[in-house]
Amino acid sequence: AQSVTQLDSQVPVFEEAPVELRCNYSSSVSVYLFWYVQYPNQGLQLLLKYLSGSTLVKGINGFEAEFNKSQTSFHLRKPSVHISDTAEYFCAVQNTGGFKTIFGAGTRLFVKA
Amino acid sequence: DAGVIQSPRHEVTEMGQEVTLRCKPISGHNSLFWYRQTMMRGLELLIYFNNNVPIDDSGMPEDRFSAKMPNASFSTLKIQPSEPRDSAVYFCASSSQGDGEAFFGQGTRLTVV
Repeated sequence: AQSVTQLDSQVPVFEEAPVELRCNYSSSVSVYLFWYVQYPNQGLQLLLKYLSGSTLVKGINGFEAEFNKSQTSFHLRKPSVHISDTAEYFCAVQNTGGFKTIFGAGTRLFVKA
Repeated sequence: DAGVIQSPRHEVTEMGQEVTLRCKPISGHNSLFWYRQTMMRGLELLIYFNNNVPIDDSGMPEDRFSAKMPNASFSTLKIQPSEPRDSAVYFCASSSQGDGEAFFGQGTRLTVV
């Protein structure tokens, strides 16, 4: 079975500052890894995904994440955040041979002016 | 494609009434998921289908909950009888086999009074 732990429930940050949202996972098999973003009153949308290959993955809106197999982590980063990045971010994992996606509890990012 | 379409967007009902939530997945996607989101429990996978067949319903909280997928373009989640603790946002998502990316609908906000 897989599980996902998002280490921070809330992250406040000033506009134009860098941010890192942390995610650790556990699994006994190969996995795909995802970050989704949820804006208020909307569904989740994909930011980026890691399937295989390069461990540094670039996504939309200037976000990137790095897969670290030895540390079982998939942290999300952005070098300079905007007010519009205020949202909830979910890390997710899926067994490469399966269908079931497991989501973390979410991290609420607050970007302050 | 219009994306995953859920209806209704909002539903307010009285305790004890039957509630039916509807979902139209993206055409060509062969996996469909129902999630429930609450502040207390986060995003929970209730059930998922592959090729219209229920694969895993272990997340369905009680026998009051049931889900069907009569064809590739339609699914329902029914709660009978509804209770105040069922109040939540219910999301439907679909994906195609291969890379696991899930496309979410806008959600149905259910309030049981």
